[in-house]
Amino acid sequence: DADVTQTPRNRITKTGKRIMLECSQTKGHDRMYWYRQDPGLGLRLIYYSFDVKDINKGEISDGYSVSRQAQAKFSLSLESAIPNQTALYFCATSDLRPGQGWNEQFFGPGTRLTVL
Amino acid sequence: AQKVTQAQTEISVVEKEDVTLDCVYETRDTTYYLFWYKQPPSGELVFLIRRNSFDEQNEISGRYSWNFQKSTSSFNFTITASQVVDSAVYFCALSEETSGSRLTFGEGTQLTVNP
Repeated sequence: DADVTQTPRNRITKTGKRIMLECSQTKGHDRMYWYRQDPGLGLRLIYYSFDVKDINKGEISDGYSVSRQAQAKFSLSLESAIPNQTALYFCATSDLRPGQGWNEQFFGPGTRLTVL
Repeated sequence: AQKVTQAQTEISVVEKEDVTLDCVYETRDTTYYLFWYKQPPSGELVFLIRRNSFDEQNEISGRYSWNFQKSTSSFNFTITASQVVDSAVYFCALSEETSGSRLTFGEGTQLTVNP
């Protein structure tokens, strides 16, 4: 089984609908992230969470909200989807290796969201 | 603020050629971490390498090698004897010590290796 899973993998929705993307991990990591990928722009950070009680905005948080239900679960919501939120969304996790700084992030398979 | 620039949007080579992907970064931190990720056509992101700012040793892993030069703020990636399976988008990323492990990605370089 994959360490970081995302559901759904693909979703087509209409403008104005509420959408929730879910992320689960079995790596035991405290830190979780949501990114979106747009062609030519790389990945941009939406929200991140260092533990269940710590949630922070990334560089493009407008129009999004998140919920950290447990250490292993981190959900991203679009309260009222709009077409320019059409993108590929990735969840990621990471941990801190003692004495060696930040570890690499491990990414889920991605959710392709289309807003019509 | 941290920034990563991958000036090469697309590169096309013929199989067995060597290819270098450029990455230039900006940061004010003295402690930071650099990464390369590969995104094959299937879409997943695959971690390739992590390098911290105190370790300027170049690294080689099979056909892959990385050249980290603090003097020019660059962390370039070379594939030797490229293969069709190397075709992917490659991302360089930076994490500053003070940013709490948040990654800033470059725009990515689409590498196409033709048979």
